[in-house]
Amino acid sequence: GQSLEQPSEVTAVEGAIVQINCTYQTSGFYGLSWYQQHDGGAPTFLSYNGLDGLEETGRFSSFLSRSDSYGYLLLQELQMKDSASYFCAPVGQDKIIFGKGTRLHILP
Amino acid sequence: DTEVTQTPKHLVMGMTNKKSLKCEQHMGHRAMYWYKQKAKKPPELMFVYSYEKLSINESVPSRFSPECPNSSLLNLHLHALQPEDSALYLCASSFNSLAGANVLTFGAGSRLTVL
Repeated sequence: GQSLEQPSEVTAVEGAIVQINCTYQTSGFYGLSWYQQHDGGAPTFLSYNGLDGLEETGRFSSFLSRSDSYGYLLLQELQMKDSASYFCAPVGQDKIIFGKGTRLHILP
Repeated sequence: DTEVTQTPKHLVMGMTNKKSLKCEQHMGHRAMYWYKQKAKKPPELMFVYSYEKLSINESVPSRFSPECPNSSLLNLHLHALQPEDSALYLCASSFNSLAGANVLTFGAGSRLTVL
């Protein structure tokens, strides 16, 4: 079977750092991707980890540990526009399945 | 062109109607996807087309019928839907659907209301 776990909500202050964790159990795993979705918008790709370790893209970083079936998304220097839902999405053969999503609230 | 275009943006239909959702991309992507998303829920995979062939059907009811006329176009034909089928239908594409760093590019979605 397949399972994905990520926190349903996270609250942080503008300018701070926040980490969104994701644990997964899935067959045919190739890597872990992350997507951002603002209210009323479509998901947009943020990051992908095919190998263990850290990937950095500007203010966003993502980490993967295959042995722990665990990954996280790290958002630095939080801005109000980062208020959105964030989905971890394991990449498998032919398909990408989304976790339940983490709603990130940013306080001024 | 780095966009996925979906039409219509909004659709209201009765349970006896037949309608279609359309999706188009010109990025040379060879995999196309339909996802369904209800409010405050994650996108839920429905279908995957790879090189114009249906490769995945996630046990979707037959009242949803996908079609991929060519590598740039993806349709979702709707017939005899139920009110619980009301949702945002998202089309996405990726370079291919083989193992690897599949990056999905999503369209803006078609918001469907079934009365």
